[in-house]
Amino acid sequence: NSKVIQTPRYLVKGQGQKAKMRCIPEKGHPVVFWYQQNKNNEFKFLINFQNQEVLQQIDMTEKRFSAECPSNSPCSLEIQSSEAGDSALYLCASRTNTGQLYFGEGSKLTVL
Amino acid sequence: QQKVQQSPESLIVPEGGMASLNCTSSDRNVDYFWWYRQHSGKSPKMLMSIFSNGEKEEGRFTVHLNKASLHTSLHIRDSQPSDSALYLCAAGGNYNQGKLIFGQGTKLSIKP
Repeated sequence: NSKVIQTPRYLVKGQGQKAKMRCIPEKGHPVVFWYQQNKNNEFKFLINFQNQEVLQQIDMTEKRFSAECPSNSPCSLEIQSSEAGDSALYLCASRTNTGQLYFGEGSKLTVL
Repeated sequence: QQKVQQSPESLIVPEGGMASLNCTSSDRNVDYFWWYRQHSGKSPKMLMSIFSNGEKEEGRFTVHLNKASLHTSLHIRDSQPSDSALYLCAAGGNYNQGKLIFGQGTKLSIKP
């Protein structure tokens, strides 16, 4: 069983509403990733962190997405103003030093 | 932009048969490939990784890698109904700080 804990498992939002998802990575894993998996199973890398610092992220110029990974608190991904196209499974993963990713069960977002 | 292409898109194999899945990266900087399996409604779970040219076998699963062509394949022998899932190939490299780029997956169905 995955030791990456994601909450909530499901969330339903209306268009324009804020959606926030949390992730507790596995202890000892230095890097945390967020991916978006759409209904066509396409994976889109969103952002990754190491020791609370952003390593890489997609161009979030639309400014609706934000993420953070503070020390001693869960990591989070927030969508400020949800749109229908944001409906997807949001997967958090933590990476071991050997490069293996362990995924959480995901947060399934439905935007009505 | 780096792409990971998987084929076929879907595959039906009789129980006890051999399933062969393919994956190619367009990025010549890729150092390694991972194969993940995702059962319906679940998160991806790592199956196998391959870093060097050649073949790697673990139980019923065999992975091949040809670094020159950036092509990897996964073979499942004696397929079981529980092998029915989405199989995801992911490519990464040390240049990319460990970020994995995922293919769109091959949906495998094992028919009893």
